[in-house]
Amino acid sequence: QKEVEQDPGPLSVPEGAIVSLNCTYSNSAFQYFMWYRQYSRKGPELLMYTYSSGNKEDGRFTAQVDKSSKYISLFIRDSQPSDSATYLCAMKLEYSGAGSYQLTFGKGTKLSVIP
Amino acid sequence: ETGVTQTPRHLVMGMTNKKSLKCEQHLGHNAMYWYKQSAKKPLELMFVYNFKEQTENNSVPSRFSPECPNSSHLFLHLHTLQPEDSALYLCASSQGIGGSSGGSEQYFGPGTRLTVT
Repeated sequence: QKEVEQDPGPLSVPEGAIVSLNCTYSNSAFQYFMWYRQYSRKGPELLMYTYSSGNKEDGRFTAQVDKSSKYISLFIRDSQPSDSATYLCAMKLEYSGAGSYQLTFGKGTKLSVIP
Repeated sequence: ETGVTQTPRHLVMGMTNKKSLKCEQHLGHNAMYWYKQSAKKPLELMFVYNFKEQTENNSVPSRFSPECPNSSHLFLHLHTLQPEDSALYLCASSQGIGGSSGGSEQYFGPGTRLTVT
């Protein structure tokens, strides 16, 4: 079983739709959970990060973490054509006292929002 | 220049060539990273530097050699590469490497698209 599973899509939705992007993971020790957005020919940019289970909202974006199910989600409300990009989930585990960590990314989901 | 810059943006090299990728961050960060992004594969962390000291080397082949002369600059020296090394190489920086505010918020450059022939 891969450490982080993410459906690569592509996912195509009409403008204004609610988008749900998901990742599952196998390592229960992951502590930090992140979502990055990557436009074509650009580097990833951090959208959201969370430390604990629950929801975190930022404008049209909501990140949800369910540690008991090892499942994280990103919801995009009122999706816009400018949201068309690849969305990467990422999870981080810090090794206490060692000053090092493990950072694992999903493969990314390509999203297209059609006007 | 602002953010994280990378040069060159595109590079084609033969398997016997030696080349270098350059990354510069203008954010006053202390940590810098090299990642490899291949088609249909997850982003792979290659190297981590914190205050110019290498803290991570994720089993990267020796044909990739990083160099971090100061907290603002990071190089990746390439020699005798293989075709499977063709990928997008991304540089990132962050304020620190630990905790939710420092290590998690990484700022990425646009990447160097490398093709090995």
